[in-house]
Amino acid sequence: DAKTTQPPSMDCAEGRAANLPCNHSTISGNEYVYWYRQIHSQGPQYIIHGLKNNETNEMASLIITEDRKSSTLILPHATLRDTAVYYCIVREYSGNTPLVFGKGTRLSVIA
Amino acid sequence: GAVVSQHPSRVICKSGTSVKIECRSLDFQATTMFWYRQFPKQSLMLMATSNEGSKATYEQGVEKDKFLINHASLTLSTLTVTSAHPEDSSFYICSARDPRFNEQFFGPGTRLTVL
Repeated sequence: DAKTTQPPSMDCAEGRAANLPCNHSTISGNEYVYWYRQIHSQGPQYIIHGLKNNETNEMASLIITEDRKSSTLILPHATLRDTAVYYCIVREYSGNTPLVFGKGTRLSVIA
Repeated sequence: GAVVSQHPSRVICKSGTSVKIECRSLDFQATTMFWYRQFPKQSLMLMATSNEGSKATYEQGVEKDKFLINHASLTLSTLTVTSAHPEDSSFYICSARDPRFNEQFFGPGTRLTVL
């Protein structure tokens, strides 16, 4: 079972920041927060992951609350190509544990 | 990131036939691969975990005799849908763990249509 809760859908204007929230109130101390996205009819694409510190890479920023019960993925300047379903997943760092996907958030970037 | 390929990208078959889907890790050795299935407008559902040189571990409700998984090398895993029926029509996605990054990377998916 997915351990995260995300809004089913969000809209964002092109060029603006997209802030996607995720609740993971039952996260345990050794679990990381991962974000993936899936563009229509493609395989999921890794975006970013973190444990407790905020993280940033060329795609996005991940803000994790101090109690680690929620996080926000930030796409700083959304483009039409960012339209996708975004999945927030919590998982232990061991790669042998498969990713379990919830329903995700369908982000629509609007021109 | 690491690259995972799948073949074929699309396949249409008649009911009762078997279909094989290949998943390859192109630039790394994957000791563990995962197979997912995705129905329209739904999320990915894990079907099985495949470890090189050993039997796959199937999730509850997934028929191991119908979905045969073989992980014979560190770069190749295959999923064979045996005696396919229209309800097996779905988007099948494989994923491989890259031990260099301890991450899962996904293939582009295979769309199976059973007539």
